[in-house]
Amino acid sequence: AQSVTQLDSQVPVFEEAPVELRCNYSSSVSVYLFWYVQYPNQGLQLLLKYLSGSTLVESINGFEAEFNKSQTSFHLRKPSVHISDTAEYFCAVQTGTASKLTFGTGTRLQVTL
Amino acid sequence: DAGITQSPRYKITETGRQVTLMCHQTWSHSYMFWYRQDLGHGLRLIYYSAAADITDKGEVPDGYVVSRSKTENFPLTLESATRSQTSVYFCASRGGTSGYEQYFGPGTRLTVT
Repeated sequence: AQSVTQLDSQVPVFEEAPVELRCNYSSSVSVYLFWYVQYPNQGLQLLLKYLSGSTLVESINGFEAEFNKSQTSFHLRKPSVHISDTAEYFCAVQTGTASKLTFGTGTRLQVTL
Repeated sequence: DAGITQSPRYKITETGRQVTLMCHQTWSHSYMFWYRQDLGHGLRLIYYSAAADITDKGEVPDGYVVSRSKTENFPLTLESATRSQTSVYFCASRGGTSGYEQYFGPGTRLTVT
């Protein structure tokens, strides 16, 4: 069975500071990994994904995540956050044979001036 | 409009009543999903469907019924609503360039009194 752990429920950070949101997964087979973002009162939007190939994946708004197979992690990073990055971030995993995603419990990123 | 829509966006109902949440997608994606989102639990899968007339249980199916007579629609019915079913419900469909990306609707906030 697959599972996802997001170690931090809330991460407060000042604008222009770097941030890392942690995600660890457990699965005995190959996985597909995703980060989704949820702005207040909205649905989830795909931020970035790892399916295969380069272990470092990037989004269009400056976020990046690195797949680390040995540590079973897929941490999300941004070198300089903006107020508009304030949102809930969900890590999700799907094994190659499964039909569905398993989500972590989410990390609330709160960016302040 | 193209995409995935949910209706109603907000619903208040009484304990014991039947209520149906609607989900419609315009991409002709085969897979569709229903999740509930509760504080501290992240997103939990209720039911999913691989194609018209094919549905399967997720993590928390008790008290819910689904049907999928057409590819584009995937309604979720609470047969006899309970207070524990107060939640935000999200519908999603799966597709995209990789075929593994899930696209979410805006959600339905359901309150059972």
